[in-house]
Amino acid sequence: EAQVTQNPRYLITVTGKKLTVTCSQNMNHEYMSWYRQDPGLGLRQIYYSMNVEVTDKGDVPEGYKVSRKEKRNFPLILESPSPNQTSLYFCASSLQGSYGYTFGSGTRLTVV
Amino acid sequence: DQQVKQNSPSLSVQEGRISILNCDYTNSMFDYFLWYKKYPAEGPTFLISISSIKDKNEDGRFTVFLNKSAKHLSLHIVPSQPGDSAVYFCAAGPLGANNLFFGTGTRLTVIP
Repeated sequence: EAQVTQNPRYLITVTGKKLTVTCSQNMNHEYMSWYRQDPGLGLRQIYYSMNVEVTDKGDVPEGYKVSRKEKRNFPLILESPSPNQTSLYFCASSLQGSYGYTFGSGTRLTVV
Repeated sequence: DQQVKQNSPSLSVQEGRISILNCDYTNSMFDYFLWYKKYPAEGPTFLISISSIKDKNEDGRFTVFLNKSAKHLSLHIVPSQPGDSAVYFCAAGPLGANNLFFGTGTRLTVIP
């Protein structure tokens, strides 16, 4: 089944403790992206990657890092999480740019 | 500043009637528009799209209308079914761009 898999689905952590949210897709998509969803703000892009070793900032990249060492994986790294990063995170992939994203099921992160 | 706006946070419709969800955008560079549907605890799923060369696109019960001069698009669902109850996100961007800008979503409830 074609899908984008994110792990974990739920995570509660403390301020400053580094964490990684993994994302993997099995559709051989070149383009991958991370979004966060917050009440009243919709979905905002954090980082995107157009191919292996090619990444760039989206609209809200502060406090996040990403890497794209393999085509299928695009982890989101929070080096020092803060409470304002409490949010619902979605990974997405597509064949090209912003066409018809396939989204993962989401990761609900709480930073206390 | 929100470049894509969905001014109705919620909408309730009787089963069998028409649901109309509205979306406005501000950036005249946007020429590709999409609607995504999101159920609880799942990621958004692509529903229907339209490019700026068209003013209407239809897919079964779903039709998207685009009014470029008004920078407005709408999603019509006819007839509405209880399974259509979900949050609907409008998204827009330049065709093939690396970022899609999302609205804040409209929660549709179809009453049996």
